[in-house]
Amino acid sequence: EIVLTQSPATLSLSPGERAILSCRASQSVGRYLVWYQQKPGQAPRLLIYDTSNRATGIPARFSGSGSGTDFTLTISSLEPEDFAVYYCQQRSSWPPEVTFGGGTKVEIK
Amino acid sequence: QLQLQESGPGLVRPSETLSLTCNVSGRAISSYYWTWTRQPPGKGLQWIGYIYFSGSTNYNPSLKSRVTMSVDMSENQFSLKLSSVTAADTAVYFCARYDFSSGGMDVWGHGTTVIVS
Repeated sequence: EIVLTQSPATLSLSPGERAILSCRASQSVGRYLVWYQQKPGQAPRLLIYDTSNRATGIPARFSGSGSGTDFTLTISSLEPEDFAVYYCQQRSSWPPEVTFGGGTKVEIK
Repeated sequence: QLQLQESGPGLVRPSETLSLTCNVSGRAISSYYWTWTRQPPGKGLQWIGYIYFSGSTNYNPSLKSRVTMSVDMSENQFSLKLSSVTAADTAVYFCARYDFSSGGMDVWGHGTTVIVS
């Protein structure tokens, strides 16, 4: 099983600051790395797919990068609505499975 | 516009089978993969499995022995059965469309809470 480790667990920042979230895989996942945002009481929302492609309607302040085992989600300037939990997720070819990271909570400082 | 809606009992007794259905509206269920993911209270997301419209499946190895997914194209819905449930299966269960080529789940249902007690 491929394990995804997200860090930090919690990120305390102010609106307008830059957020950098990390996701590390226990083995290479190529570019099949996805990011979601989840707010309390809501379903996750797809932000980024294939490491760096923004999903439909996602603002340009969200960007993804990385390859292999190390990936990053960057929020260039935090808006009030960006305070939420962020999850990374991979889809491996072999074993053919999907796994999520443990999440990073971005909270207001 | 594609919409997904989960339905099923909110309370299941231990050792029994949890059964949920995801109704797909706004688009035919064919030509896509469909997934189930769950989230225990206060915890992160756990992938349960996915099913292709043709019926082929892939399940989380940790749940594989207890999971069955199926598709009903005539009703445009897909289903999840989880047998021999325990309190550890208490969670919000989400259905979603899975874009296999990108690896992302791009449309989600609102989720349904299932309590095992």
